[in-house]
Amino acid sequence: GAVVSQHPSRVICKSGTSVKIECRSLDFQATTMFWYRQFPKQSLMLMATSNEGSKATYEQGVEKDKFLINHASLTLSTLTVTSAHPEDSSFYICSARPLAGPLHNEQFFGPGTRLTVL
Amino acid sequence: AQKITQTQPGMFVQEKEAVTLDCTYDTSDPSYGLFWYKQPSSGEMIFLIYQGSYDQQNATEGRYSLNFQKARKSANLVISASQLGDSAMYFCAMREGHVSNTDKLIFGTGTRLQVFP
Repeated sequence: GAVVSQHPSRVICKSGTSVKIECRSLDFQATTMFWYRQFPKQSLMLMATSNEGSKATYEQGVEKDKFLINHASLTLSTLTVTSAHPEDSSFYICSARPLAGPLHNEQFFGPGTRLTVL
Repeated sequence: AQKITQTQPGMFVQEKEAVTLDCTYDTSDPSYGLFWYKQPSSGEMIFLIYQGSYDQQNATEGRYSLNFQKARKSANLVISASQLGDSAMYFCAMREGHVSNTDKLIFGTGTRLQVFP
């Protein structure tokens, strides 16, 4: 149990376009999902906390108008990178914590989305 | 100040041997959780083990065990009987507080483990 999926796994886009990444908890509900960014050979940096039914909470230095987050249901959060530029190229990973149950102390990650902006 | 410190950028271990990956943390919150994740070259983050600050015993999950020394604020991961498939990046992470689902994880810089035959 506790599987998180992400779609797409890889995306290549032109500079100036917008890209939407989906994060789904497949077998559990999560009121909160997290979006991370990881540059090559570096650690994960939390970008924002996505809350179901309310606005996301962004970390310092992360532009909320650039990285739009929508948490439409207890199993789905989306991250949209608007007007993407080459510096937005990165590995984006989401995670979710089960709302309840024996695994509620743990946080499960999606497989990640590798974004390349040309 | 860094909340999570992993001082070993890289480690080597021979197959079938045990290896310890170091992690120290800093928090003033009495309630916190400590995690270890494995990230192979494919990129996915694989949950390995969790230790709550109030847990009396060290966590164990198969070949993984967490050497939790609260007074020293360390949470080292021990992998026994290393396998070639254990070669990956390993991240230590901390969540401060355990009640709210909005509590975020703070990650260390990671340790790259390479297992050789």
